[in-house]
Amino acid sequence: DTGVSQDPRHKITKRGQNVTFRCDPISEHNRLYWYRQTLGQGPEFLTYFQNEAQLEKSRLLSDRFSAERPKGSFSTLEIQRTEQGDSAMYLCASSSTGFDPIYFGEGSWLTVV
Amino acid sequence: AQKITQTQPGMFVQEKEAVTLDCTYDTSDPSYGLFWYKQPSSGEMIFLIYQGSYDQQNATEGRYSLNFQKARKSANLVISASQLGDSAMYFCAMRENAGGTSYGKLTFGQGTILTVHP
Repeated sequence: DTGVSQDPRHKITKRGQNVTFRCDPISEHNRLYWYRQTLGQGPEFLTYFQNEAQLEKSRLLSDRFSAERPKGSFSTLEIQRTEQGDSAMYLCASSSTGFDPIYFGEGSWLTVV
Repeated sequence: AQKITQTQPGMFVQEKEAVTLDCTYDTSDPSYGLFWYKQPSSGEMIFLIYQGSYDQQNATEGRYSLNFQKARKSANLVISASQLGDSAMYFCAMRENAGGTSYGKLTFGQGTILTVHP
């Protein structure tokens, strides 16, 4: 099964530390999305890549957040100087075109203590 | 205004019975898509079913069907013959294609927790 994979699945970090999450989309999917989900809420859009180009960023993505997709394959989401409010699940998703279903990974849980 | 509204925070159903999860949406875009996802306690968002705004027939995928009523802007998920493994959070989501600038991103509702009783 070559679905969307995310790593790590769980991360506990101290406030102020940097964390990085990795996402490997479904092979040949050129569209990649990052979402954030807090407890009891639906996922909220963070950013979108088409191939290696980051084409849209949500206002939720503060300056402490940066995402890359260097070769149009895997993507990383880095959070610098983490805050307790960053505690959430970070979901990665991919799709082939803007009209195809969007498939999600299992998510990366972040806990900032 | 909420783009996607799921009014049922929680639903209960007996095993083997059918259940309907409600979803209403708000958009002025003539071209849009509606999705349902299942999220078990493990966290993974599992794609269930998709309905395009121009699709003439309601979408079906195995035990899942989407009751699409365009004039009422509703896209309810029907699960037939419920199983214990159906217990999970269910999200309705919409993708708008406004001028091609949406990039296919999804807007989610608040979700409905479904509990299937034996």
